[in-house]
Amino acid sequence: GDSVTQMEGPVTLSEEACLTINCTYTATGYPSLFWYVQYPGEGLQLLLKATKADDKGSNKGFEATYRKETTSFHLEKGSVQVSDSAVYFCALTHRRGDDMRFGAGTRLTVKP
Amino acid sequence: GAGVSQSPSNKVTEKGKDVELRCDPISGHTALYWYRQSLGQGLEFLIYFQGNSAPDKSGLPSDRFSAERTGGSVSTLTIQRTQQEDSAVYLCASSLGYDTGELFFGEGSRLTVL
Repeated sequence: GDSVTQMEGPVTLSEEACLTINCTYTATGYPSLFWYVQYPGEGLQLLLKATKADDKGSNKGFEATYRKETTSFHLEKGSVQVSDSAVYFCALTHRRGDDMRFGAGTRLTVKP
Repeated sequence: GAGVSQSPSNKVTEKGKDVELRCDPISGHTALYWYRQSLGQGLEFLIYFQGNSAPDKSGLPSDRFSAERTGGSVSTLTIQRTQQEDSAVYLCASSLGYDTGELFFGEGSRLTVL
């Protein structure tokens, strides 16, 4: 079945450092891809998405490009802030309702 | 309410007891989802509802787990005869439709089975 693999954490960075969290997927067809973020004490919320190959999702300075050839959707940010400290989840779905699949999550801690 | 509401936020129970977890989705959202998050694991899909119907219940881990949704709104996840391996955070999410791809999550119910 479909699955998502993301880099293990935790990841600890200094403020203003560059961030990359790797995400690769295994799926039939052309799923939609997502990054969700869970800030401390809050529920998961959608960070960005891409629905077809070569699409780039972006939000709050984060970006991820849907790469069909490498089955990847890596999350990147050029300069992280302390407020970006959270757990990040990569996910995919074919939008059938029962098929949203999440990675294990990557905890990011940004230190001042 | 403004967001997805789950209760209780924290539940400690003894092995063998039954527990009920409640989810109140965003008003107007027709699709509702239950996931389980165990320590160090990703989100495990349990079940989803379109309206009051659950098309596929095969994601539920065992026959001790059941879920229902009434009035196209509130959902209850029931775990009978709890076991220690049931300890996890149970997350509920809702969306406008099953095909939107954007889920809105509650903060979860943390279940600890002693």
